[in-house]
Amino acid sequence: RKEVEQDPGPFNVPEGATVAFNCTYSNSASQSFFWYRQDCRKEPKLLMSVYSSGNEDGRFTAQLNRASQYISLLIRDSKLSDSATYLCVVEGNYGQNFVFGPGTRLSVLP
Amino acid sequence: EAQVTQNPRYLITVTGKKLTVTCSQNMNHEYMSWYRQDPGLGLRQIYYSMNVEVTDKGDVPEGYKVSRKEKRNFPLILESPSPNQTSLYFCASSLSKVAGYEQYFGPGTRLTVT
Repeated sequence: RKEVEQDPGPFNVPEGATVAFNCTYSNSASQSFFWYRQDCRKEPKLLMSVYSSGNEDGRFTAQLNRASQYISLLIRDSKLSDSATYLCVVEGNYGQNFVFGPGTRLSVLP
Repeated sequence: EAQVTQNPRYLITVTGKKLTVTCSQNMNHEYMSWYRQDPGLGLRQIYYSMNVEVTDKGDVPEGYKVSRKEKRNFPLILESPSPNQTSLYFCASSLSKVAGYEQYFGPGTRLTVT
């Protein structure tokens, strides 16, 4: 099993739609979880950290389920500008490294 | 402006010719890291550094070296590049490894080894 797996995608959704991405991880000792966004050929940028209690930032909501070892990202009212690849990032087995998932590509269509 | 810079941005080289990709950050960050990104494989961590003179291997360290003599700089060295090291490389830094600190990424270096 890979350390971090994500929905394969791509997701093609109309503007205004709600879309959810899932990510599973294998390291039960992981303490840090993040969602990053990457535009084509650009550097990844932090979208949000994921806390045990879940967190929300505007149209974006992240959830963590430690028992099932998955995190999720919900995007409401999708905008064209949300089109990007979304990367799930989890603390690695060494406790000081990070493991990125392969990413899920989202295309929001007019 | 807070940023991570990488040089060069693009590099085409030949097998076996030693090269260095520089990375510098101006945010006084303790943690720095190198990743490579390949189609279908995502971002994979090559090396990371918790602080000056402290470096550790990531998931794909073979064929690479790093050094951390100063807090702001973390160069990536390819002693004898091979074609399988053709990739997009990102340097990143964060305030510390403590949970919740985001990584800031440089703009990337696209390396082609022929």
